[in-house]
Amino acid sequence: EPEVTQTPSHQVTQMGQEVILRCVPISNHLYFYWYRQILGQKVEFLVSFYNNEISEKSEIFDDQFSVERPDGSNFTLKIRSTKLEDSAMYFCASFRRVGTDTQYFGPGTRLTVL
Amino acid sequence: AQKVTQAQTEISVVEKEDVTLDCVYETRDTTYYLFWYKQPPSGELVFLIRRNSFDEQNEISGRYSWNFQKSTSSFNFTITASQVVDSAVYFCALSGSSNTGKLIFGQGTTLQVKP
Repeated sequence: EPEVTQTPSHQVTQMGQEVILRCVPISNHLYFYWYRQILGQKVEFLVSFYNNEISEKSEIFDDQFSVERPDGSNFTLKIRSTKLEDSAMYFCASFRRVGTDTQYFGPGTRLTVL
Repeated sequence: AQKVTQAQTEISVVEKEDVTLDCVYETRDTTYYLFWYKQPPSGELVFLIRRNSFDEQNEISGRYSWNFQKSTSSFNFTITASQVVDSAVYFCALSGSSNTGKLIFGQGTTLQVKP
């Protein structure tokens, strides 16, 4: 069964450093998402991406964040200058078609900012 | 605005008990989709069910069942004869037709099933 994959599973970084979280969505999916879950809290939407551009972003997704689909398979989330409060689990998800399909989640990347 | 409320923060039951997890949602969309995900201690989000707003039929899958009631904006989840392996955080989520497919999650309910 196809699945969304994410690398790395765990990333530790120093405050102020840049990190790139990588995702490979399911191959025939067209809609891509990043979500964040701070430890013990709910899953929060960050950004959606369709047709090579951001279709929606949340208030959390400020100028420190960016997304890219560089090569037609990978979908990346970059945090330019990490803060302590960026420590969280980051989930990538993808849809084939909005509404008529299930949104599949990757296993997540746990980001720890020291 | 869209919102999902899971009022039960934590539930503890003894194995073989039935347990119902509540989910109440708010949306102005006439077409929308409701989901339940399970998050075991390992952390991944496991899809359980998706319902669209036009399908109010209750669904049963093994020990799991879901009760969707538009009149009360609720989409409750029942586990029958709970097992220790059911221990997890369960999230209810909503996706409206007017947005980009993003999911709005509830706060989650932590279910602990004791042997």
